[in-house]
Amino acid sequence: SQTIHQWPATLVQPVGSPLSLECTVEGTSNPNLYWYRQAAGRGLQLLFYSVGIGQISSEVPQNLSASRPQDRQFILSSKKLLLSDSGFYLCAWSGGWGGFGYTFGSGTRLTVV
Amino acid sequence: KQEVTQIPAALSVPEGENLVLNCSFTDSAIYNLQWFRQDPGKGLTSLLLIQSSQREQTSGRLNASLDKSSGRSTLYIAASQPGDSATYLCAAYTGRRALTFGSGTRLQVQP
Repeated sequence: SQTIHQWPATLVQPVGSPLSLECTVEGTSNPNLYWYRQAAGRGLQLLFYSVGIGQISSEVPQNLSASRPQDRQFILSSKKLLLSDSGFYLCAWSGGWGGFGYTFGSGTRLTVV
Repeated sequence: KQEVTQIPAALSVPEGENLVLNCSFTDSAIYNLQWFRQDPGKGLTSLLLIQSSQREQTSGRLNASLDKSSGRSTLYIAASQPGDSATYLCAAYTGRRALTFGSGTRLQVQP
């Protein structure tokens, strides 16, 4: 069966520090991969998605970037964190054209101080 | 642009009650609609996925229906339990990686 792993679960980082969140998927090949952010009291916002290795699409301009160095690995990064980057970050995957549903990871709570 | 609305925003019921959560969407050209559960500080757990050609899906005490023409979906929870307390999110998929979420219904089941 397919599983998705996301880490770390919690992260407290000072303003201006770098960020690296990692997500891996097991049990499937060539998944579509996504990074979402859920800010307090707000809905889920799609940040990035990837349909293949090295293929990244950004949905909103921001201080963050994403990379997909391997088929089942998706990384969310920042060179210098801002206070506004605080939030709950969720990784997700879907198969093929996305018509068979999305599966989400357990999330990372990022607090920038 | 797809917009998804969930009503009510919050709901508190006594244990054992049957309840209905509502989800409406503006663009009826969806491929599917997915219901998720989110516990505080946790990720999203998929509950039910209804394809556009289906009218309903059932899993245990949960039943989700879909009416594309009216832009509505409902999640029915039978015999609610305190363990059902969570936020329930619906999401409409319109293809090309466009999954649009509602803002959720926060459910509290009182023992």
